Amino acid sequence: EPEVTQTPSHQVTQMGQEVILRCVPISNHLYFYWYRQILGQKVEFLVSFYNNEISEKSEIFDDQFSVERPDGSNFTLKIRSTKLEDSAMYFCASSALGQLSYEQYFGPGTRLTVT
Amino acid sequence: AQSVAQPEDQVNVAEGNPLTVKCTYSVSGNPYLFWYVQYPNRGLQFLLKYITGDNLVKGSYGFEAEFNKSQTSFHLKKPSALVSDSALYFCAVRDVDTGRRALTFGSGTRLQVQP
Repeated sequence: EPEVTQTPSHQVTQMGQEVILRCVPISNHLYFYWYRQILGQKVEFLVSFYNNEISEKSEIFDDQFSVERPDGSNFTLKIRSTKLEDSAMYFCASSALGQLSYEQYFGPGTRLTVT
Repeated sequence: AQSVAQPEDQVNVAEGNPLTVKCTYSVSGNPYLFWYVQYPNRGLQFLLKYITGDNLVKGSYGFEAEFNKSQTSFHLKKPSALVSDSALYFCAVRDVDTGRRALTFGSGTRLQVQP
């Protein structure tokens, strides 16, 4: 069964450093998403991406964040200058087009620790 | 704004007994509703969805959920719990009428099935 994959599984970085989290969505999916879950809190939507542009973003997704689809398979989330409060589990998700597009399929997550 | 409430942090049930995990939602328009399950160190796994049609929807692993529009609820149920069902369960909603794809999640309910 096709899966969303994410690398790395755990990233430790120092405050102020840039990080790039990587995702490979399911191959025939066209909508891509990033969510995050701060420890002990809800899963929160960050951004959605379709047709090579951001289609929707939350208040959390400020200028420190950016997303990119650099090639036909990868989808990345960049945090330019990490803060302690960026420590969280980051989930990538993807969904198909049309009637199959309702559910989003999630990857295993990247745990980001900012020290 | 859309929101989801999962009033129970934890549900305990004996193996073989029926289980219910509660979810209520709030959207300005019509909802798409989802249940996801998270096992330790894994991503969010899609269980089932309500889009339209029958109020009782069936999903993976014998789970089902009942959509109740008047009570704005979407409780997850299973007739006979298994120890392997022990996990964290998330309810999520998407507002159909806004056209937004972002999912809003509840805080999660930990299901513990005792042998």
